[in-house]
Amino acid sequence: EAGVAQSPRYKIIEKRQSVAFWCNPISGHATLYWYQQILGQGPKLLIQFQNNGVVDDSQLPKDRFSAERLKGVDSTLKIQPAKLEDSAVYLCASSFSSSYNEQFFGPGTRLTVL
Amino acid sequence: SQQGEEDPQALSIQEGENATMNCSYKTSINNLQWYRQNSGRGLVHLILIRSNEREKHSGRLRVTLDTSKKSSSLLITASRAADTASYFCATASGAGSYQLTFGKGTKLSVIP
Repeated sequence: EAGVAQSPRYKIIEKRQSVAFWCNPISGHATLYWYQQILGQGPKLLIQFQNNGVVDDSQLPKDRFSAERLKGVDSTLKIQPAKLEDSAVYLCASSFSSSYNEQFFGPGTRLTVL
Repeated sequence: SQQGEEDPQALSIQEGENATMNCSYKTSINNLQWYRQNSGRGLVHLILIRSNEREKHSGRLRVTLDTSKKSSSLLITASRAADTASYFCATASGAGSYQLTFGKGTKLSVIP
């Protein structure tokens, strides 16, 4: 079974630039999550999708972050414009359903904002 | 905000020894999970314990949950160098659609 795929694996940008991350969840997984993991900390949930609808985006900085999950499969997370404090690893995870709680994580995208 | 707090922040042991990590949390939960993260990699689910369970085993892993103290522990027996990683507890709470709240993790180093 293929795991959660993410790209790119690494990205370096300057502040005020835009960046987008892509995630392909495990086939058949209805729930998709985006997390932000700052160095030395645990992952923090940014947004949760159930199929193509948003379940929770309360911790997403909506003035600069946006995410979509068209057709309920792949998802993209965008930052526009980026700030220095956005430097982190962005993890995508999926689960079979929102009530089946084991989450499967992708390798993450390491973002460095200069 | 992070609900779980792991203790210790870092742990260094010899191969073959047991490693114990603790997690404390603040609010009531549906279940508690432990994840492992190798350097520069994504997280891997290790074990899930529900709020009505007190102990669970999986291979060399043993997890306990004390809901009265709002705490959990993860024991790794007969550690191996390959167990070197960061270990996170994550709590699931809410009704229906559960989200995970992660702690800051314990960094385990197993010396060969």
